[in-house]
Amino acid sequence: DIQMTQSPSSLSASIGDRVTITCRASQGIRDDLGWYQQKPGKAPKRLIYAASSLQSGVPSRFSGSGSGTDFTLTISSLQPEDVATYYCVQYMIYPLIFGGGTKVEIK
Amino acid sequence: QVQLVESGGGVVQPGRSLRLSCTASGFIFSSYGMHWVRQAPGKGLEWVAVIWFDGNNKYYGDSVKGRFTISRDNWKNTLYLQMNSLRAEDTAVYYCAREAAQLDFDYWGQGTLVTVSS
Repeated sequence: DIQMTQSPSSLSASIGDRVTITCRASQGIRDDLGWYQQKPGKAPKRLIYAASSLQSGVPSRFSGSGSGTDFTLTISSLQPEDVATYYCVQYMIYPLIFGGGTKVEIK
Repeated sequence: QVQLVESGGGVVQPGRSLRLSCTASGFIFSSYGMHWVRQAPGKGLEWVAVIWFDGNNKYYGDSVKGRFTISRDNWKNTLYLQMNSLRAEDTAVYYCAREAAQLDFDYWGQGTLVTVSS
């Protein structure tokens, strides 16, 4: 199975800060990677698909990059409503594998 | 609008069975693959299973293979997860999710809680 290593597991940043979350795949997954945001008690919400495509309706401060094994989710200017846990997922091959998650808090 | 509503969760003893349902509306259910994803309390997301649009192909996560069965009824717009030989570690919120064109998940239900405990 492909392993997905997500880092950091948590971070604390100030409003307006640039935030970066990374995901590394144990083998190449082309650009078959998505990013999801999950707020407490809620279902996950799709932010990014195909590594860098922004889901309709998602604010443009969210962006994704990468291909192959190394991927990044960036929040260009952190907002209070961005407090959540973020997950990557590879969907190139079954079983689909999620990263361990990154909890984002406001400093 | 797309809606996915899970049901069937509850408390069940170890070794017993439970069947979850996910009722879909707002889209042509028979045209989409469907997934189950779970989340243990305080833990991350874990993919459980997928069934293709026509029901002819199914794949499972390693931790549920041989115990869980995914199925669908395209006439009833409903997805199922039959869970047998349940274990304490199966305790989780179970989400159904629609497969996007890119093969990840574009819509999710609100989840149903399964608790395996004696």
